[in-house]
Amino acid sequence: GAGVSQSPSNKVTEKGKDVELRCDPISGHTALYWYRQSLGQGLEFLIYFQGNSAPDKSGLPSDRFSAERTGGSVSTLTIQRTQQEDSAVYLCASSFAQGVSTEAFFGQGTRLTVV
Amino acid sequence: AQSVSQHNHHVILSEAASLELGCNYSYGGTVNLFWYVQYPGQHLQLLLKYFSGDPLVKGIKGFEAEFIKSKFSFNLRKPSVQWSDTAEYFCAVNGGAAGNKLTFGGGTRVLVKP
Repeated sequence: GAGVSQSPSNKVTEKGKDVELRCDPISGHTALYWYRQSLGQGLEFLIYFQGNSAPDKSGLPSDRFSAERTGGSVSTLTIQRTQQEDSAVYLCASSFAQGVSTEAFFGQGTRLTVV
Repeated sequence: AQSVSQHNHHVILSEAASLELGCNYSYGGTVNLFWYVQYPGQHLQLLLKYFSGDPLVKGIKGFEAEFIKSKFSFNLRKPSVQWSDTAEYFCAVNGGAAGNKLTFGGGTRVLVKP
């Protein structure tokens, strides 16, 4: 597609439920990022996929969070047993991993509200 | 650990004032540097980037940034701001010791009063 697409754009879920957030990166981009942006906070790195390498999961806040990237394209971020503190905007970005154009392109985000 | 620091969390200024936002990084090696902007209600978008060459780079909307390698800095500037520059600004770095992963600073909220 023309840009990074995230779905859903908004998600309201009850505390304790699992949620899945989807990201469709720009075609051909080998690097994919997930970030979290809470109200009034900066960008919190969650996870980074680059090609076929093992993902950098160093930013995942707990073992309730996981992500996968199937076929080197679409990625899903899963949050199990959601808590109220998980409420935030979850941002996905993609980029070329190497070369002179490694800037990341961001999607519009998924606003997650845990009630 | 590699990090990116933005010194100002909030900046308030009047239209036509000059703006400078600081960004420092702690990486070694050859880095790529970026400034992103997030206007209210919009997604993050690239303002400008530096990969190599002239350390003074010009971006969209009259913004520029200067890479000073000896100071590990990449400060963003605009000579005369407009109300429409109200946004949050993020500095980001990849390359060098950090590899390809893009790391962001904490962001600076800029409010331009009309």
